[in-house]
Amino acid sequence: RKEVEQDPGPFNVPEGATVAFNCTYSNSASQSFFWYRQDCRKEPKLLMSVYSSGNEDGRFTAQLNRASQYISLLIRDSKLSDSATYLCVVNRAAAGNKLTFGGGTRVLVKP
Amino acid sequence: DTGVSQDPRHKITKRGQNVTFRCDPISEHNRLYWYRQTLGQGPEFLTYFQNEAQLEKSRLLSDRFSAERPKGSFSTLEIQRTEQGDSAMYLCASSSNFPERGGPNKQFFGPGTRLTVL
Repeated sequence: RKEVEQDPGPFNVPEGATVAFNCTYSNSASQSFFWYRQDCRKEPKLLMSVYSSGNEDGRFTAQLNRASQYISLLIRDSKLSDSATYLCVVNRAAAGNKLTFGGGTRVLVKP
Repeated sequence: DTGVSQDPRHKITKRGQNVTFRCDPISEHNRLYWYRQTLGQGPEFLTYFQNEAQLEKSRLLSDRFSAERPKGSFSTLEIQRTEQGDSAMYLCASSSNFPERGGPNKQFFGPGTRLTVL
């Protein structure tokens, strides 16, 4: 079983709609949580950190449920430019802060 | 541009050849990480350095792989006797211990080196 699991998608989303997806992590000692965005054949870029209380950054909202060990990302008012792969990432200071990535969820926003 | 840079961006080689990649981290970032990403998968950790010390190596890093960061600045990743299974994107990331510079959790990635082994 992978340490971080995601639905690979693709999620086909009409422009302007809302899309949400989750990831689950297996290591309860995970301390920090992130969503990275990766465009085709490009490097991952940090989209947002995920905090226990949930946090919002513009049209993006991230939630963390430690009890159930899952993280979610919600995108409101989807733009064509939101089409990308969204990588769920966890890390632990005790593990040298190396990042453990999920396989990514592909989102395609269509006009 | 003061981001992470990697060289070369693309490398095509024949099976059995040796290849070396270079990563230049963000200036004054003391942590440097190497990851490998194959098609349809998320990046997987290979190794990391704190300054010049290599602190951890993944089991993915076979004896054919070696990484160095001799002066605590740039790093090289060498693959000896390449195999077709080594074909992947090799990503380098850096971070700082200091919160005012993002802290150790925030890793910034370079553009990657795409390796194709024929």
